[in-house]
Amino acid sequence: EAQVTQNPRYLITVTGKKLTVTCSQNMNHEYMSWYRQDPGLGLRQIYYSMNVEVTDKGDVPEGYKVSRKEKRNFPLILESPSPNQTSLYFCASSPNTPPDGNTEAFFGQGTRLTVV
Amino acid sequence: GQQVMQIPQYQHVQEGEDFTTYCNSSTTLSNIQWYKQRPGGHPVFLIQLVKSGEVKKQKRLTFQFGEAKKNSSLHITATQTTDVGTYFCATPPGGTTDSWGKFQFGAGTQVVVTP
Repeated sequence: EAQVTQNPRYLITVTGKKLTVTCSQNMNHEYMSWYRQDPGLGLRQIYYSMNVEVTDKGDVPEGYKVSRKEKRNFPLILESPSPNQTSLYFCASSPNTPPDGNTEAFFGQGTRLTVV
Repeated sequence: GQQVMQIPQYQHVQEGEDFTTYCNSSTTLSNIQWYKQRPGGHPVFLIQLVKSGEVKKQKRLTFQFGEAKKNSSLHITATQTTDVGTYFCATPPGGTTDSWGKFQFGAGTQVVVTP
C-alpha cells in the first residue's frame, strides 16, 4: 500500500530538548516536504527536498532542520524546541514531474507536537 | 508567504445548499491542485487543473481554472454532511515562476454543514 508514515503521532516535550520526527515513504517519490498547520494559517511549508541530498527552505524554516540521506526518509529535527513550535506537523511526498504532470502530494497522518 | 489567497476562510452551509470557495493568485500559475482535509485527518488530493479555463467535475464537485490561470474555484452542489472539512488549493513545485521548488497551500476554507 502506497503510504507516507510519520512517527510519532503525538509528542509532548519540554523547551530545549532536541527531538526528531521521522517520515518515510514507499512510493519512490523524489519530492518530500514538511508542513506545519496552525488555525487560520493553513499549511505552511517548512522545508522541502527535491531529491537525495538536496534540501531547501520553505516559508517557515526557522528553528527546524532536515536531512535527506536516502530517498525514502526525510526526518524533521528540532534542535531546541520552543513553545511557538507547538503545532500539527505533516510530511508529504510527491513525484518530481513537469508542472503539467502528476504532482499529487501524499500526506502522512500528522504529528501533534506540544512544547511546554 | 503564501502565493494563493483563499476565500472564504469559513463557510457554514445548510445541508442541500450549494457553495463555492475561491483561490486567487497575483501571479500566473502553471497548475493548481485542490485537497480536502476531514476533521482530525490529513489532506487528501482531489484534483489537478492545468489548462486555462479548464473545468472538471467529480460528482457534486466542480473545479474550475480561470482563463488567465490566476484563480480557481471549487463549487459543491447539494452539500451533504460528508462534505465537512477544510478545502485547500495548492500550487505544486514549478507552479509559479517566483517560488519554483515550493509546494504552497492556501489557508483553506473550513466547511461546516448543518443537517
